[in-house]
Amino acid sequence: EVVMTQSPATLSVSPGERATLSCRASQSVTSKLAWYQQKPGQAPRLLIYGASTRATGIAARFSGSGSGTEFTLTISSLQSEDFAVYHCQQYNNWPLTFGGGTKVEIK
Amino acid sequence: QVQLMDSGGDVVQPGGSLRLSCAASGFSFKIFGMHWVRQAPGKGLEWVAFIRYDGVNQYYADSVKGRFTISRDNSENMVYLQMDSLRPEDTAMYFCAKSECTRTSCLLWADYWGQGTRVTVSS
Repeated sequence: EVVMTQSPATLSVSPGERATLSCRASQSVTSKLAWYQQKPGQAPRLLIYGASTRATGIAARFSGSGSGTEFTLTISSLQSEDFAVYHCQQYNNWPLTFGGGTKVEIK
Repeated sequence: QVQLMDSGGDVVQPGGSLRLSCAASGFSFKIFGMHWVRQAPGKGLEWVAFIRYDGVNQYYADSVKGRFTISRDNSENMVYLQMDSLRPEDTAMYFCAKSECTRTSCLLWADYWGQGTRVTVSS
């Protein structure tokens, strides 16, 4: 199976600063990579699919990039509501797999 | 709007069985594939199973293959997860989620999620 590795596990950022989250695949997943945001006690919410396409209603401060094995989620200027856990998922190969998540916390 | 209502979670003994349900509304259920995804306490997300729009094909994580069965009833807009031979490591919140996988274009990200239903496997 494709192993997805996210780094860092925790990212401490001040409001208004930029956050850069990484996701690496153990083999190429082309551009079939999604990012989700999850807040405590809530279901995940789709942010990005196709590695770089924002889902409906997602703010422009969220952007995704990468292809193959290396992917990045960037939040250009962190707002209070952005402090959450972010998960990447590959959907190129069965079984579908998620990374372990990156927690973005207030510095 | 799209709504997914998960239910059926409970406390069950190891070796027991449970059936989870997910009631869908607000979209043309019969043309979209559906996922089950779980999250153990304090852990990340784990994809569990997927069923195509017509129910003909199902896919499973290795950790549940042979024990769990995903099914759907397009006349009732329902998707199910039958869980047999449950183990303590199956303890998790289980979410159903809609995909963008149809007959003509199969895109497997999960664009809408239920609120989750909790399964605890313990003696």
